[in-house]
This record gives sequence, structure tokens and C-alpha cells, in this order.
Amino acid sequence: QQQVKQSPQSLIVQKGGISIINCAYENTAFDYFPWYQQFPGKGPALLIAIRPDVSEKKEGRFTISFNKSAKQFSLHIMDSQPGDSATYFCAGGTSYGKLTFGQGTILTVHP
Amino acid sequence: EAQVTQNPRYLITVTGKKLTVTCSQNMNHEYMSWYRQDPGLGLRQIYYSMNVEVTDKGDVPEGYKVSRKEKRNFPLILESPSPNQTSLYFCASRQGGYGYTFGSGTRLTVV
Repeated sequence: QQQVKQSPQSLIVQKGGISIINCAYENTAFDYFPWYQQFPGKGPALLIAIRPDVSEKKEGRFTISFNKSAKQFSLHIMDSQPGDSATYFCAGGTSYGKLTFGQGTILTVHP
Repeated sequence: EAQVTQNPRYLITVTGKKLTVTCSQNMNHEYMSWYRQDPGLGLRQIYYSMNVEVTDKGDVPEGYKVSRKEKRNFPLILESPSPNQTSLYFCASRQGGYGYTFGSGTRLTVV
């Protein structure tokens, strides 16, 4: 079963707009929640991550919002740029190495 | 350059012929892990290792074996590959914190 559910599967945004990707998790053993960005032909790269005792984390144009009671978290990309076009994966992880990914969201930012 | 190196990048094999995909990291990371990526399913963790001789199953371990005899190496072994193991495979490593560093991937086709 998919322990981390991600939506939408694909997203089209105009340049300068806000991209929002949502995730929900089931496993309460997760103790951190990262987001990865993947470009075609490349491996995923860590974008930003949050621990469950924090409700929001911002790094540049990227913000994670976390709702522990609802077991949901989301990625907001402000001022989206064509260079942000990529596949984004949320995940739930544990300190001992387990990492479970969502299904991915293909983001396209139109100029 | 700090990196995770997988070999080979591409591999076509026949059903039942044992194969090994190698993974090596030069960052002295404690944790290493293998994932497979399939369209619509995202990345799924196969096995992970917390240190030398310490490994554990991820979400999809069936049909795979791993070993961690040295800190830098974490080979993935398919003893009897089947067509449903055709996939894009990624190795990754991390020291602590949140982020796994991923290799460039191995595209495996089993016919």
C-alpha cells in the first residue's frame, strides 16, 4: 500500500504563479518529511525537509507547510519559474534510514 | 567530487540470469539505500543499510538481495531476474540529517 499519497499527478502553472503540491501520510513512525526534485535523466535531489514538530519551513521560494494532526504536508513554490519544471516527490523518512516516497508530481511552468 | 556511483548505467539481461548492480560512495556516509522508480508509482525503497553489516528491508524487497561488507559499497543483487523487475534503479547515501544523495541511475531491462 502507498503510505505517502501525493497530489496532483501533474500541474501546469504560469511563470510567476504559485505551485502547490500536497501529500498525506499514514505511518506515524516517520520523523522527517523531505521533498525531492528530479529533472529528466537525473537522480532525485533534496529540495527541502521538515521535522513534525515544526509547522512551516521556508527556504527561498520553497515553503513546506506541515499539519501533524491531519497527517498532511504541502510544498509551495512561490514565483514559479520555467527552470522549476521538474518532477517533485514528497516522502516520509525515519532516522534509521527508511524513506517512503509519494507517487510524484510533474510540474510544468509556462513562460 | 562527492558522489554516488552506480554501474552499469544500462543493462539488458534475460530472465533468470543472476546480475549485480554496483554502488559506491566517496563521502564516508553511514546510510545507503536502493530504490526502484516506475511510472505512476514514484520511487520505492528496496533495501537500506545503517552501517556495515546492518541492512533492513524497504517497501519492495522481494526478489532482491544486498550486502554491506564495506562502508563505501552497497551492491544490489538480483539472483533470478524476472521481467517485472524491469525498472530504473537508484542507489543513494546519507550521513545524517535529512537528505540522501542519489546516483545517476541504472536502467535495467529483463527480457
